[in-house]
Amino acid sequence: DIQMTQSPSFLSASVGDRVTINCKASQNINRYLNWYQQKLGEAPKLLIYNANSLQTGIPSRFSGSGSGTDFTLTISSLQPEDVATYFCLQHNSWPNTFGAGTKLELK
Amino acid sequence: EVQLVESGGGLVQPGRSLKLSCLASGFTFSNYGMNWIRQAPGKGLEWVASISSSSSYIYYADTVKGRFTISRDNAKNTLYLQMTSLRSEDTALYYCARSTTYFDYWGQGVMVTVSS
Repeated sequence: DIQMTQSPSFLSASVGDRVTINCKASQNINRYLNWYQQKLGEAPKLLIYNANSLQTGIPSRFSGSGSGTDFTLTISSLQPEDVATYFCLQHNSWPNTFGAGTKLELK
Repeated sequence: EVQLVESGGGLVQPGRSLKLSCLASGFTFSNYGMNWIRQAPGKGLEWVASISSSSSYIYYADTVKGRFTISRDNAKNTLYLQMTSLRSEDTALYYCARSTTYFDYWGQGVMVTVSS
């Protein structure tokens, strides 16, 4: 199985900050990497698919980049409503596997 | 609006069975593959099982193969997960998720606790 190493595990930032979260795959996954946001008690929400495509309805402050083994989720200007846990998913090969998650809090 | 609502969770003793349901709405259920994904307390997400739109293709994680059965009723817009021989390590929040080539919409999850 492909291992997804996500960092950092925890992140504290201020409103307006640029925030980056990383996922590293144990082997080449091309661009088959998604990012999800999960708020407490809510269903996970798809933010970015195929590394850099913004899901419909997601604010443009969210962006994704990367290919191969290294990927980044960027929030260009952190907003209070972005407090959540973020996780990545590789869907290049079966079984699909997840990063361990990054808990984002406001400083 | 796509909605997925899981039900059927609860506290169950080791070795017993439990059946989860996921009621779908807001899309044509019979056109999509469906999945179960779980998250044990303090752990990461783990894919559990997948079923194709017409039930022709079914896949399981090795950790549940032979114990869990995924199924669907397209007339009722409902996905199921029959869990047997439950173990303490099956304790988790279970999500259903719709898929195209990836999981796009998820439910809020239902808790399953396996304990004596």
